[in-house]
Amino acid sequence: EIVLTQSPATLSLSPGERATLSCRASQSISNYLAWYQQKAGQAPRPLIYDATNRATGIPARFSGSGSGTDFTLTISSLEPADFAVYYCQQRSNWPLTFGQGTRLEIK
Amino acid sequence: QMQLQQWGAGLLKPSETLSLTCAIYGGSFSGYYWSWIRQPPGKGLEWIGEIHHSDGTNYNPSLKSRVTISVDTSKNQLSLKLSSVTAADTAVYYCARRAGGLEDYWGQGTLVTVSS
Repeated sequence: EIVLTQSPATLSLSPGERATLSCRASQSISNYLAWYQQKAGQAPRPLIYDATNRATGIPARFSGSGSGTDFTLTISSLEPADFAVYYCQQRSNWPLTFGQGTRLEIK
Repeated sequence: QMQLQQWGAGLLKPSETLSLTCAIYGGSFSGYYWSWIRQPPGKGLEWIGEIHHSDGTNYNPSLKSRVTISVDTSKNQLSLKLSSVTAADTAVYYCARRAGGLEDYWGQGTLVTVSS
């Protein structure tokens, strides 16, 4: 099973700042990585697929990068609605797995 | 706009079988993977398994002996059965469609609590 490790566990920033979230895979997953945003009481919202592609309707301030084992989700300028929990997910190997999440909180 | 609507029993006793249904509205079952994912209260996401109309099913090995995912194409419905539940199976369960590289449509989630 591929283990995804996200860091940091919690990120405290202010609106307008840049957020950088990391996801590291226990083995190479090529670019088979997705990112999701989840708010309390809601289903996850898809953000990024295949490491770098924004899902439908996702604003340009969200961007993904990386390949192999190291991946990054960047939010260029935080808006109040961006404070949530973010998960990465790999689909390179079964079982599909998720990272443990990064909580992005308002500083 | 496609929607996934879930339902099923929300309270089970240990050893019972969890049974959830996910109806697909505004879309077709064919051509996609359909997943079940769960999230224990206050914790992260766990992939349970998936089904594809031609590729069949794939299950998480940690649950494989207890899980069955099936589909009724005539009703456009996806189902999940998880046998011999314990308190560790208490979670919000989601159905989702996987298109290309991610789960792009999600059900609203169903909280299933296992308690004696």
